[in-house]
Amino acid sequence: GAGVSQTPSNKVTEKGKYVELRCDPISGHTALYWYRQSLGQGPEFLIYFQGTGAADDSGLPNDRFFAVRPEGSVSTLKIQRTERGDSAVYLCASSLDGTGTDTQYFGPGTRLTVL
Amino acid sequence: QKEVEQNSGPLSVPEGAIASLNCTYSDRVSQSFFWYRQYSGKSPELIMSIYSNGDKEDGRFTAQLNKASQYVSLLIRDSQPSDSATYLCAVTPRYNFNKFYFGSGTKLNVKP
Repeated sequence: GAGVSQTPSNKVTEKGKYVELRCDPISGHTALYWYRQSLGQGPEFLIYFQGTGAADDSGLPNDRFFAVRPEGSVSTLKIQRTERGDSAVYLCASSLDGTGTDTQYFGPGTRLTVL
Repeated sequence: QKEVEQNSGPLSVPEGAIASLNCTYSDRVSQSFFWYRQYSGKSPELIMSIYSNGDKEDGRFTAQLNKASQYVSLLIRDSQPSDSATYLCAVTPRYNFNKFYFGSGTKLNVKP
């Protein structure tokens, strides 16, 4: 079956602009996660959704970052007033029920470059 | 102090040898432990999970957990060139098992 998909695969924007990154989880997966990965680093947790609600958004770095999952499936990560330090690969993952022991399946990521 | 520490490597081993990858974590009450493999330019994929002290084997892979020493390792037997990748250790705290803390990863090179 289809895995986690993310669009766009690459996004180049200018400092100060607004961007939206989209994640389509595996069908039937209730748990969805967003991570940010900088070069040479491991993924950094941003936010976790269980269904439509953000169960843990403690990893969002500041109020320029916001994520939604209005129907419990597709999620959008929104970044306002982008800064050069936001440049990274943004990874989305989904798991069946978010028990912590079920496998997280990662999407291919969106590479964001802020000029 | 980072929640999860890994030696960045690279770790170079000859084909057929055992590769040993190590990870330490700072939170004594961490609950779940994972090893992910990440090929260059690709996303992480789960190799092993381990939740209790001791060894867990799956094919050529063995995960070892020692909670007293706050240490988890991954052994890869009969290493193949296709195992060359970055291996990421991830840990979840007991109070929030959906919040994964990843290490920076160890780059493994298996030489033919």
